[in-house]
Amino acid sequence: EVQLVESGGGLVQPGGSLRLSCAASGYTFSGDWMHWVRQAPGKGLVWVARITGSGAGTSYADFVKGRFTISRDNPRDTLFLQLNNLGAEDTAIYFCGRGQFYAMTVWGQGTTVTVSS
Amino acid sequence: QSALTQPASVSGSPGQSITISCTGTSSDVAGYNYVSWYQQHPGKVPKLVIYEVTNRPSGISSRFSGSKSDNTASLTISGLQAEDEADYYCSSYTAATTWVFGGGTKLTVL
Repeated sequence: EVQLVESGGGLVQPGGSLRLSCAASGYTFSGDWMHWVRQAPGKGLVWVARITGSGAGTSYADFVKGRFTISRDNPRDTLFLQLNNLGAEDTAIYFCGRGQFYAMTVWGQGTTVTVSS
Repeated sequence: QSALTQPASVSGSPGQSITISCTGTSSDVAGYNYVSWYQQHPGKVPKLVIYEVTNRPSGISSRFSGSKSDNTASLTISGLQAEDEADYYCSSYTAATTWVFGGGTKLTVL
């Protein structure tokens, strides 16, 4: 069974940093792109970033503005999202998703990031 | 990267059909056959129901279908059931090699 499990969320002060992880299992992790998508409380889905299977190619939403970095460790079947210079507007559930057919075919359960003083 | 435009809400009675629209631009919806649709029940994880405009993943009911005309994609749910009540989001690949979601549509089954 394909499974994605996020971790690393929590409460952080404005201007702080967090590193989110997404552990994949049940498929060949290195073969597929991966995405991060976020959802603020009571709001809609917002795409954040994508990384290719090899990790050589990345793309980001404009609002990231160089603050976030997506990466992956294929031998460990793990995806990461480094979040820096966080603001209140970054408070959200962050989901990782398996990228196939230019869509997100499998989603993790999400990890919650709360930015507050 | 403006969000795709979806109606805030749609509704229908059991057994009826409903259609949710998703309007973009020549840089996303119109430019690529990479529109996908997601169903999200309250407090749950999004679930892919349509990819590449018209394709259903394994396990998704044939009551769900997708289409596209120019810069507007559509999701149609036929034979509406109570379990279909959820939020639905469209998404498209873009010319900037990014992805964009719609604002979401709340489907109410009357």
